[in-house]
Amino acid sequence: GNSVTQMEGPVTLSEEAFLTINCTYTATGYPSLFWYVQYPGEGLQLLLKATKADDKGSNKGFEATYRKETTSFHLEKGSVQVSDSAVYFCALRSNTGNQFYFGTGTSLTVIP
Amino acid sequence: DTEVTQTPKHLVMGMTNKKSLKCEQHMGHRAMYWYKQKAKKPPELMFVYSYEKLSINESVPSRFSPECPNSSLLNLHLHALQPEDSALYLCASSQYGLGEQYFGPGTRLTVT
Repeated sequence: GNSVTQMEGPVTLSEEAFLTINCTYTATGYPSLFWYVQYPGEGLQLLLKATKADDKGSNKGFEATYRKETTSFHLEKGSVQVSDSAVYFCALRSNTGNQFYFGTGTSLTVIP
Repeated sequence: DTEVTQTPKHLVMGMTNKKSLKCEQHMGHRAMYWYKQKAKKPPELMFVYSYEKLSINESVPSRFSPECPNSSLLNLHLHALQPEDSALYLCASSQYGLGEQYFGPGTRLTVT
């Protein structure tokens, strides 16, 4: 079956610290992988995506690389800002069907 | 335009009321979704419509009744809800069979 396992939070970092949020997946076939971000009181926004092995998704200083050998899609950012405080969800979509599978979410708080 | 709109933004209803949530997208997406999200949890899939036909119903109680009148609109009709149904209700859309989901801002529902 399909599933996503995501690093438990909450995570608290100082401004300009390095961020890693771990995400591993189980999937049949060749899934597409996504990171979504949710700010308080809002819906989910697509942060970045990768559709095949070794693809690197990037946006707003965040990066994640689709690693088929380790079934991982870890989110990284070199220098976080207070405005990055949000909940981050890792997700996959199998290459068959229209269903998406979400990790449990990781809450990030960045303090000045 | 990558926007999914939802109305209303907030809704308070009694357990005997009937109300509807509305969702609209104009991206030509033929897959549309309803999710329920509780605080600090990932979105929980309720329904998927594919080409205006209900394709996935995740064993949702019958007090929730979805409707897809056309390829741009998705409704969720609510009747005789319980206090535990209070949550953020998210609508999303995607291309059929591939690509990312786009989420609306959600409707914050409170059942009294």
